[in-house]
Amino acid sequence: EAQVTQNPRYLITVTGKKLTVTCSQNMNHEYMSWYRQDPGLGLRQIYYSMNVEVTDKGDVPEGYKVSRKEKRNFPLILESPSPNQTSLYFCASSFGLGKNIQYFGAGTRLSVL
Amino acid sequence: AQSVAQPEDQVNVAEGNPLTVKCTYSVSGNPYLFWYVQYPNRGLQFLLKYITGDNLVKGSYGFEAEFNKSQTSFHLKKPSALVSDSALYFCAASYNDYKLSFGAGTTVTVRA
Repeated sequence: EAQVTQNPRYLITVTGKKLTVTCSQNMNHEYMSWYRQDPGLGLRQIYYSMNVEVTDKGDVPEGYKVSRKEKRNFPLILESPSPNQTSLYFCASSFGLGKNIQYFGAGTRLSVL
Repeated sequence: AQSVAQPEDQVNVAEGNPLTVKCTYSVSGNPYLFWYVQYPNRGLQFLLKYITGDNLVKGSYGFEAEFNKSQTSFHLKKPSALVSDSALYFCAASYNDYKLSFGAGTTVTVRA
């Protein structure tokens, strides 16, 4: 089954404790992206990747890191989480962007205390 | 700035009545336009998209959307709403090959 898999689905952590949210897709998509969803703000792009070893900042990259060492995986790293990073995070992938449909993971709800 | 606006935070309709969710986009360039739906505890799912051609686009689950270039709008419609259509709906626009801009979302509640 074609899918985008995020782990974990739920995470509670404390300020400053490094964490990684994993994202994996099995559709051989070149493009992958991370978004955060906050009430009243919709989805905002954090980072995106056009292909392996090609990543760039989105609209809200501060406090986040990403890597794209393999085509299928695109982990999101929070080196020193802060409470303002409490949010719902989504990973997405597609064959390029433009007019192509994005496929989304089920989301990761993160709480930073 | 390229942006997408959904002017209504919430839309409430009775089952069987027509449903409309509004979306407008900024005019710079000719974006590709999308609608996505999010059910509780789920990721976003694609509903439909406008690329070019016919201004009325048909999508999944009986939804359709009307592209209006003069009004820079892309409203989502369903002739007869179901309780199961209750969800969070997002309009999105792609102006280039690396970014999809989302509206803030509209919560649709369909009452039985």
